[in-house]
Amino acid sequence: SQKIEQNSEALNIQEGKTVTLTCNYTNYSPAYLQWYRQDPGRGPVFLLLIRENEKEKRKERLKVTFDTTLKQSLFHITASQPADSATYLCALDSGGYNKLIFGAGTRLAVHP
Amino acid sequence: GAVVSQHPSRVICKSGTSVKIECRSLDFQATTMFWYRQFPKQSLMLMATSNEGSKATYEQGVEKDKFLINHASLTLSTLTVTSAHPEDSSFYICSANPNRVGETQYFGPGTRLLVL
Repeated sequence: SQKIEQNSEALNIQEGKTVTLTCNYTNYSPAYLQWYRQDPGRGPVFLLLIRENEKEKRKERLKVTFDTTLKQSLFHITASQPADSATYLCALDSGGYNKLIFGAGTRLAVHP
Repeated sequence: GAVVSQHPSRVICKSGTSVKIECRSLDFQATTMFWYRQFPKQSLMLMATSNEGSKATYEQGVEKDKFLINHASLTLSTLTVTSAHPEDSSFYICSANPNRVGETQYFGPGTRLLVL
């Protein structure tokens, strides 16, 4: 069966540290994978998109990698800040028409 | 740019009534919009794909007669929860993209529905 798994339900880290979130999938062949941030009671906000032919994407303190052999994406936040506290969702396209399937998310708490 | 709005942001209704939620793309046109529901501490579950000018495509297990979708224009899709029951209480979120394949989705702020 098709699955998307984000390996940690919740993470607590100290401000300034680098954190890595993991997204693994099975029985999908996505053309691209996306990461979103969601704050409580709000809709998701787009962060990064990485395509199947790209190994790495960066945006400010964020970095995403995509390994189609391992069927895994890693999401890194460097020099974390309390404002980075949120739930981070990975999503992949399920075969066209921009239909996204989401992982369960990882709740990140960055403590001062 | 790429703003999606939803109205209302929250609604409380009595069991058995119907509730309409609007999703608008404010600064772009969207042939396709998507409707999700999200239970507390769970991920977004795709309910249906809303297609402008044609019938919506529902995901497996979603009752099309229960969740009526109308995509009347390139900037507006509506979701009507008919004969709502307490188990329909949830966070409903819509999304859209500017008609380009492989583009990111832009999400609305969500609508919190509470059925008493």
